Amino acid sequence: SQQGEEDPQALSIQEGENATMNCSYKTSINNLQWYRQNSGRGLVHLILIRSNEREKHSGRLRVTLDTSKKSSSLLITASRAADTASYFCATDAVNGGNNRLAFGKGNQVVVIP
Amino acid sequence: NAGVTQTPKFRVLKTGQSMTLLCAQDMNHEYMYWYRQDPGMGLRLIHYSVGEGTTAKGEVPDGYNVSRLKKQNFLLGLESAAPSQTSVYFCASSRPPTSGMETQYFGPGTRLLVL
Repeated sequence: SQQGEEDPQALSIQEGENATMNCSYKTSINNLQWYRQNSGRGLVHLILIRSNEREKHSGRLRVTLDTSKKSSSLLITASRAADTASYFCATDAVNGGNNRLAFGKGNQVVVIP
Repeated sequence: NAGVTQTPKFRVLKTGQSMTLLCAQDMNHEYMYWYRQDPGMGLRLIHYSVGEGTTAKGEVPDGYNVSRLKKQNFLLGLESAAPSQTSVYFCASSRPPTSGMETQYFGPGTRLLVL
């Protein structure tokens, strides 16, 4: 089954620095979504990028999608301590017929004040 | 709006006991999902529902049953709990897919410990 895979798994940065994480997937997709999970909480949707889009911005977030490489990246600029969280990518397969998202294992980001 | 709520927040069960987790959403979403999250495993889909009265199996359905009697509620049942079902359970809801799956809205989770 298709699954997003994030890389790297854990990232520790200083406040104010940028954080970049990547996600790869195996089959053609309709869209790719990024979610954030703070410790002990539910997932919160950050951004959705469709297969015909290459880049999308939302505040300090920038997402790129390269369908030829089957990969996506999430960039958080000017990180804050509050950005400390796990970040998950999720994909849905074209013609998957499964009405579901496949989540990756997550990237843990720690922003040091 | 409360969004997606889950009850209980935390539960301890003994092996063989049964329980039901309740998920409720007030966004009038057609689709609802149950996931489990284990360390290092990401989220795995247990069951999902595309509308009132319908349910379908996800990636890891064994040992669980679900019901969607009302549009706003999605129940997850464990008939005979096993230690392997110790996990954090998340419910989510979404609108139906348009050009691909839509944003999912998650509840706060239920931590289940099976002894």
